[in-house]
Amino acid sequence: DAEITQSPRHKITETGRQVTLACHQTWNHNNMFWYRQDLGHGLRLIHYSYGVQDTNKGEVSDGYSVSRSNTEDLPLTLESAASSQTSVYFCASSESLADQETQYFGPGTRLLVL
Amino acid sequence: AQSVTQLDSHVSVSEGTPVLLRCNYSSSYSPSLFWYVQHPNKGLQLLLKYTSAATLVKGINGFEAEFKKSETSFHLTKPSAHMSDAAEYFCVVSGNYGGSQGNLIFGKGTKLSVKP
Repeated sequence: DAEITQSPRHKITETGRQVTLACHQTWNHNNMFWYRQDLGHGLRLIHYSYGVQDTNKGEVSDGYSVSRSNTEDLPLTLESAASSQTSVYFCASSESLADQETQYFGPGTRLLVL
Repeated sequence: AQSVTQLDSHVSVSEGTPVLLRCNYSSSYSPSLFWYVQHPNKGLQLLLKYTSAATLVKGINGFEAEFKKSETSFHLTKPSAHMSDAAEYFCVVSGNYGGSQGNLIFGKGTKLSVKP
């Protein structure tokens, strides 16, 4: 069955370190998204990609970057981790950009920045 | 710009009683609306979605939601709560961040507790 996976599931790092969170989907979807989830905020969009070599900034993109070298993967990099980036991160993918299109979510990565 | 407001951050019901989770939306055009559920320490799962067809939408696990344009609401209901329904529920509207389609805008979530 097609799926979307994230790794690691849990990560503890120190302030100032570079961290990369992996997202891999086997749906063959063109569109991939990264969100962060914080108490009282729901999920907020960090970056998104509509295809290979395409990346776009979302609502809360400062301090994060992504790259898309193939259809299956969209890794999220924290250039210099900050305590404010302690959060749960979700990756999602969708087949089309139609408004009614369902996004499929990964299981999440829980990141703690000390 | 699109936005969504979940009117209750926490709802508590007894097992076997009805569930009502309230959601209001704002959109400059006819939106697509979704309800996602997140069980503790799990990812998000689609419950149901409205896509401008029938205004009463049926989802998984006995949930349904009614789109009311005049009230800009999309409340989630279930006739009889089960213990396994305890989770956090997110009302979501299809977004248009930065002029780009395909994004989702999430409400802040409603935590549903079910008492035995």
